[in-house]
Amino acid sequence: DTGVSQDPRHKITKRGQNVTFRCDPISEHNRLYWYRQTLGQGPEFLTYFQNEAQLEKSRLLSDRFSAERPKGSFSTLEIQRTEQGDSAMYLCASSFIRGPQHFGDGTRLSIL
Amino acid sequence: DAKTTQPNSMESNEEEPVHLPCNHSTISGTDYIHWYRQLPSQGPEYVIHGLTSNVNNRMASLAIAEDRKSSTLILHRATLRDAAVYYCILRRNYQLIWGAGTKLIIKP
Repeated sequence: DTGVSQDPRHKITKRGQNVTFRCDPISEHNRLYWYRQTLGQGPEFLTYFQNEAQLEKSRLLSDRFSAERPKGSFSTLEIQRTEQGDSAMYLCASSFIRGPQHFGDGTRLSIL
Repeated sequence: DAKTTQPNSMESNEEEPVHLPCNHSTISGTDYIHWYRQLPSQGPEYVIHGLTSNVNNRMASLAIAEDRKSSTLILHRATLRDAAVYYCILRRNYQLIWGAGTKLIIKP
């Protein structure tokens, strides 16, 4: 399967813990995006990379959130000191510069 | 601010065409219209996109109004596998601006 891959699919953690998610994009794609989706809503943009450069960050991305894309391949999204409000589905997508975005199946985060 | 408006839900019979409407009266000249669909516990799946002209692909057709303030996604022959939430989205530069979507229910 050559689609976007996200790991883990589910993460349950206690409030205050740090979590890290991984995204492996479609290999030829130079853009990579992170979104957050809560129940019944469309995805909300968090940040995106073009190759290894992080070009835009949403105001939703507080200082507890950090994303990296070393070497312009896979990406990680880390949330420090998790809060109840961080419970959501975290989606990754990738694309060519002018093409449509292709999504992975997300990581569902539950904060106890 | 760019925004799309869609019905909360629609029902259709299996093997009949489905027309999913979307209003985007605040669209700007360079915004692309994208449609995605999403099944429970899965990521959104790209369906189709266009700028001004009508578009066809193997999944669906996209009809764009002449003033670009509305569009319609057409599924030519709905199957049970087409039951999903369909999102009409404006793409402004790199960013996809999502609405709440239409839940499409297909009746056998």
